[in-house]
Amino acid sequence: GESVGLHLPTLSVQEGDNSIINCAYSNSASDYFIWYKQESGKGPQFIIDIRSNMDKRQGQRVTVLLNKTVKHLSLQIAATQPGDSAVYFCAENQAGTALIFGKGTTLSVSS
Amino acid sequence: DAGITQSPRHKVTETGTPVTLRCHQTENHRYMYWYRQDPGHGLRLIHYSYGVKDTDKGEVSDGYSVSRSKTEDFLLTLESATSSQTSVYFCAISESGGDGYGYTFGSGTRLTVV
Repeated sequence: GESVGLHLPTLSVQEGDNSIINCAYSNSASDYFIWYKQESGKGPQFIIDIRSNMDKRQGQRVTVLLNKTVKHLSLQIAATQPGDSAVYFCAENQAGTALIFGKGTTLSVSS
Repeated sequence: DAGITQSPRHKVTETGTPVTLRCHQTENHRYMYWYRQDPGHGLRLIHYSYGVKDTDKGEVSDGYSVSRSKTEDFLLTLESATSSQTSVYFCAISESGGDGYGYTFGSGTRLTVV
């Protein structure tokens, strides 16, 4: 079964709000996590990653938080824009073979 | 998408026919992957390759085979297509496998089996 999943299949926010997308993982041995963004008709695109020896990493308008105690990963998007509307996937590395992806959360941003 | 192309972009085929999808990279990356994407399932790994002639199965490999005779090409073959294989197929490449730097994905192939 799925070892990586997202709590909500859809999330709707207003332009300018902060968005938080959550993901739970079950494999405590996973040591590398990535967030991807997928726009309609395109392949997933890398947003940000984090290793298990960190609990927070920031990029441009995005922050990833990792809570290993409860095996939880989140993606925070500041000042959400209409261009952020997409499907967001978390992924975890298991045993260095291949990334395992969650089912995705669709983010809809209204202006 | 950054040196990775998939062909064809769209294909309609009949049940029972063989189908081959191609992934081509110009990045000289060691690792290549095939995923399928279906509503409600996210991306699921079919097969991956860690070098020329080195491949391994993923989560949903039944009904699929792969070949990698040179670094730049990774072929996915549906031996006898079924309607359950209607999906969007994505190829991805990576320098270092599952650990580090993530993957770069192609634009996908939409396959319809009728």
